[in-house]
This record gives sequence, C-alpha cells and structure tokens, in this order.
Amino acid sequence: QKEVEQNSGPLSVPEGAIASLNCTYSDRGSQSFFWYRQYSGKSPELIMFIYSNGDKEDGRFTAQLNKASQYVSLLIRDSQPSDSATYLCAVNPRPGTGTASKLTFGTGTRLQVTL
Amino acid sequence: DTEVTQTPKHLVMGMTNKKSLKCEQHMGHRAMYWYKQKAKKPPELMFVYSYEKLSINESVPSRFSPECPNSSLLNLHLHALQPEDSALYLCASRTLGLTGRSGYTFGSGTRLTVV
Repeated sequence: QKEVEQNSGPLSVPEGAIASLNCTYSDRGSQSFFWYRQYSGKSPELIMFIYSNGDKEDGRFTAQLNKASQYVSLLIRDSQPSDSATYLCAVNPRPGTGTASKLTFGTGTRLQVTL
Repeated sequence: DTEVTQTPKHLVMGMTNKKSLKCEQHMGHRAMYWYKQKAKKPPELMFVYSYEKLSINESVPSRFSPECPNSSLLNLHLHALQPEDSALYLCASRTLGLTGRSGYTFGSGTRLTVV
C-alpha cells in the first residue's frame, strides 16, 4: 500500500462545476495535510492545508479531512479553465520535533476544466 | 520576503561538467530541501537540511553534493551527471517547531538538461 494515494486522472469537469479531488493516506499518526497545485513545467504552489477534522474553506477551495477514514479531499467550486493543473496531496507523517521531517507526496491528480 | 529563489532557471550541462544550483530564502526557515521531479511524477526527495546540518540523504548518488553555507542558502553541486539526471530540481523550505503544521514553500525550480 502506498503511503499517500491519489487517482492520477485526468479528472475532467466542465467550467463552473465542482471538482472533487481525493487522497487517502496510510499513516494513522499523520498530523497535517497539504494540497499543492502544479502547472505543467512549474513548481508546486501551496493552496490549502488542514489539520483538524472537518472542512476548511478558502475562497473557491474547500479542504475536507476525516482522520478516522484516513481521507482528505479538495473541492474546487465554480471550476475555471485556469484551475487545470496537477493537484498534489502531501502528508506530514509526524509532528515536528525540531528535526525537519519530510512531506510524503501522492502521485497527483491531473484536473482538466473544459469550456 | 516570502519567496524561495532558485538560480539558474535553466541549465544545460555536459556529462563531464561541474555546475552548481543555488537556492536562497529569507523567511527564517531552518529546514531546507532538495527535490528532483521528472515529468508526470511527484517530487522525489533528495536531501534535507535542518539547522544547516544534513539530516536526510535519500541514498542519492555522490555525483550530487549538497551544501548549506548558512541558514539562508542551499547549494547543490553537480559533477559527472548522466542524461537520466535531467529533471526539474526543486528547492523548498519550511519553518520548524510548529508540530509539523507548516507546509513547504517551493522555489521556481531549475530545469536541468544533461547532454
């Protein structure tokens, strides 16, 4: 079982629809969760983070976390063509203790927003 | 200043060349990372520096040599690379001591081509 799993896609949604991106993780001790957006040929950009169960909203983006099910998702409302990118889920496997731990990345989901 | 600056943005080098990639941040982050990313793959961790000390080396070949001269700078020295080392090299930084709740800030990357 991979540590962080994502469907590679592509996930195709029409403009204006809700895009739902999903991620599961294997380490039950994981504490914090991140969504990065990466355009082709560019570096990843942090768009959301969450560490408490429930929903966290920021503009058109909502992150959802369910630690019991080891599941984190990203919803994008009113999807725009400019949202077309690869979305990487990243998990911090343990709390920081002053030693730099490493984020574990999923393989990413490619989102295509069609006109 | 909320940026991680990487130079150069593009680099073409021969297999016998020696070159260096540079990364700089002024956010006071004490953890810095080198990642390698091939097309359509997630970032792959190479090295982690914590408080200017190498804390993680993910079994990277010795033709890659990291250096952290101070808390703001991170270098990656390259020597005798192979064509398969061609990739996007990403530098990232994060703060420490916040129970692992901070994500990475990535630089814009160096696109390396080995000929």
